[in-house]
Amino acid sequence: SQTIHQWPATLVQPVGSPLSLECTVEGTSNPNLYWYRQAAGRGLQLLFYSVGIGQISSEVPQNLSASRPQDRQFILSSKKLLLSDSGFYLCAWGRAGTVNTEAFFGQGTRLTVV
Amino acid sequence: KQEVTQIPAALSVPEGENLVLNCSFTDSAIYNLQWFRQDPGKGLTSLLLIQSSQREQTSGRLNASLDKSSGRSTLYIAASQPGDSATYLCAVEQGSQGNLIFGKGTKLSVKP
Repeated sequence: SQTIHQWPATLVQPVGSPLSLECTVEGTSNPNLYWYRQAAGRGLQLLFYSVGIGQISSEVPQNLSASRPQDRQFILSSKKLLLSDSGFYLCAWGRAGTVNTEAFFGQGTRLTVV
Repeated sequence: KQEVTQIPAALSVPEGENLVLNCSFTDSAIYNLQWFRQDPGKGLTSLLLIQSSQREQTSGRLNASLDKSSGRSTLYIAASQPGDSATYLCAVEQGSQGNLIFGKGTKLSVKP
């Protein structure tokens, strides 16, 4: 069966510090991978998606970047965090090459920038 | 630009009641619609996926319907239980890469 792991679960970082959140998927190959953010009072917003190693698409301009160094690994990064980067970050995966496929989410990372 | 709206934002019901959660979307050109459940501080659990060619899907006490032409979906929960308390999110898939556009959710509280 497929599983998705996301860590850390919570993170408190000072403004200006770097960020690295990691997500890995097991039990499938060549998944589509996604990073979403859930900010207070707002719905889930897609930040990045990837259809293959090294292929990253960004949905919104922002202070963050994403990378996919391996087939089932997706990393969200920042060089210098802003207060506005606080939120709940969720990684998700879906089967590639098809539409009408379910999305499966990790347990999320609560990031607080202070 | 696709917008997804969920009404009501919050709902409190006594245990055993049947209830309906609503989701509307502005652009009917969707591939599918998914309903998710989110417990406080947790990730999303997929409940039901309705393809654009389908009218409804059922799983246990849950039934989701889709009227694509009118841009509406409903999630029906039968015989609600306290364990159903959570935030319910609907999302539509528009792009061919599986990108989802979410509503803000309905926070459900089922009182024993």
